[in-house]
Order: sequence, then C-alpha cells, then structure tokens
Amino acid sequence: EDKVVQSPLSLVVHEGDTVTLNCSYEVTNFRSLLWYKQEKKAPTFLFMLTSSGIEKKSGRLSSILDKKELFSILNITATQTGDSAIYLCAVFNNAGNMLTFGGGTRLMVKP
Amino acid sequence: DTGVSQNPRHKITKRGQNVTFRCDPISEHNRLYWYRQTLGQGPEFLTYFQNEAQLEKSRLLSDRFSAERPKGSFSTLEIQRTEQGDSAMYLCASSRTGFEAFFGQGTRLTVV
Repeated sequence: EDKVVQSPLSLVVHEGDTVTLNCSYEVTNFRSLLWYKQEKKAPTFLFMLTSSGIEKKSGRLSSILDKKELFSILNITATQTGDSAIYLCAVFNNAGNMLTFGGGTRLMVKP
Repeated sequence: DTGVSQNPRHKITKRGQNVTFRCDPISEHNRLYWYRQTLGQGPEFLTYFQNEAQLEKSRLLSDRFSAERPKGSFSTLEIQRTEQGDSAMYLCASSRTGFEAFFGQGTRLTVV
C-alpha cells in the first residue's frame, strides 16, 4: 500500500525564520509528488514535482524531489504570519488514479 | 471562477438520513477524485472516475457510500443511513493529466 509520511507534525516559528518541511514516500510506480497548503478549507495547490533535483520555486516557497531517496522538502524563507497553515504532501501512483496524502505538517508563524 | 465547485458547502443531517453531495470539476478535466478528511488528518482517498467510468472504488468506506458520474462531467457522492462517524469534510478534486489535482472547497457534513 502506498504511504506518505511528513515531518515534523507541527512547527512554531517567528516571522522571518526559514523552515524546511519533510515528506518521505513509498509508492508503487511513482508518477508525481504534490505539495498543498490548507487553511481551514480545501487544499490549495503549491507545487508538482516529477523529476529529481529540479527545484520548483514560487516567491518565498521552493521544493525539490529526490527520487532515489524517496523524499521531498518544502522550504519557506522569510516566513510571515500568513504562512500559518497545514502543509500537505501527496503522491500519485503511476496510473494517476490515486493520490495518497501524508498527515500534514501544521506550521504556526508568530509575529 | 472556473475552479472545482462543490455543493452544498455545509450539511447537517440527522443520523439515519441519506445525503448527497455534488462536485463540478474544472472544465475538460476528465479525472475526478473524492476524498474524506477528518480533523487533524490528511485527506483519505475514496474513489476515482475517468470520464464516466468509476475505475477505483475499493476504498469506499462501506456499502453505504456510493458515487456516480453519469455523463462524465459532474459527480455525486451519496451516503445512505448516515452515522455520527460519517461527520467529516468531503473533498472533490479534478485533474486533466493525472499528474496534478485541484480541489474544491469541500462539503462539511455534520451528523447529529
């Protein structure tokens, strides 16, 4: 069965700090890895990763995938209070018919 | 707004009643997924449609749960004889390629 594990479970930082969120996975025939941000409602898409070593970047957020070691990281630099949310990692199997989620990392950014 | 649309946003029902949720995917997205999310957990996969075909339904939680996508466009998720344990957020997502997926705002079900 496909499995996604995220760490840490929760994190409290102060504005301006840099954070790194971790995601490890076991999936039969990997297709893609996705990162989402969730704030009291539905997950909002952040990144899609399919190839190792290629960094995806959007503003202060960036992510990279290591398909050999089966993990991904999400970095947030110069954190702001608006970054407070649950960050979810998910993996598609090869057929693209099932997206398996991790339990999420709850990030709180204090002013 | 051409994102995934779910209705209703909130549903309160009495135990034992049937409920039905609707999902309208992004136009031209032929892949549609249903998930359930409980507090403090990541979304849990329920079922998958490609066009009108339900290709993955082994994760539906019980035979009280069923889903349809009759014309390959919108989809419905029905829960029969609701139980308090069915209280959760029900999420729908759609995808064109099967590499990424975009979620609707969800339907929050409360069974009293």
